[in-house]
Amino acid sequence: NAGVTQTPKFQVLKTGQSMTLQCAQDMNHEYMSWYRQDPGMGLRLIHYSVGAGITDQGEVPNGYNVSRSTTEDFPLRLLSAAPSQTSVYFCASSSRDVNGYTFGSGTRLTVV
Amino acid sequence: AQSVTQPDIHITVSEGASLELRCNYSYGATPYLFWYVQSPGQGLQLLLKYFSGDTLVQGIKGFEAEFKRSQSSFNLRKPSVHWSDAAEYFCAVGAGGGGNQFYFGTGTSLTVIP
Repeated sequence: NAGVTQTPKFQVLKTGQSMTLQCAQDMNHEYMSWYRQDPGMGLRLIHYSVGAGITDQGEVPNGYNVSRSTTEDFPLRLLSAAPSQTSVYFCASSSRDVNGYTFGSGTRLTVV
Repeated sequence: AQSVTQPDIHITVSEGASLELRCNYSYGATPYLFWYVQSPGQGLQLLLKYFSGDTLVQGIKGFEAEFKRSQSSFNLRKPSVHWSDAAEYFCAVGAGGGGNQFYFGTGTSLTVIP
């Protein structure tokens, strides 16, 4: 089925470890974004991309890196995980027509 | 700066009763506005959106929302709530040059009692 695929679904990291959250979409969407969801804080934009090779920072970019080498993929990298990065992470994509983002099912990350 | 406020953290309604979830936004230009629903452990599903034109928009699952520019509001309504509507609801504003930067409210949790 067409949509946004996130892997892994669950991950436990130790403080200081690095990892990459994967996100892929097969709808040929130009726009892709990463959000984190924390209790009582809604979803906050981490990074976004308006096309291959173009990325920009959102509200809470510190501690995260992104790249967009292809239209389909938009990985999120944690270079040195901290307990404050314990959260649920959502990737989303949208066409240029701004019809609303399609969300992946999320990655639940715990940093201990 | 753009922001979205959902003043009600939690709402409880009886099945069959009407529902209104409040959303206020702050944005300098004409906003793109959205409502999403999230069931436990799931991603977000788009309910409806407003870009321009008719200020009353219809969405999926029997939901509607009304854009009121004078009140900077985009409240979500449903005439008769079903038990399956219990979920978290998020209002969002699309900002940036192409409306592609989404800013979400903190959400309203809906409980439906029989």
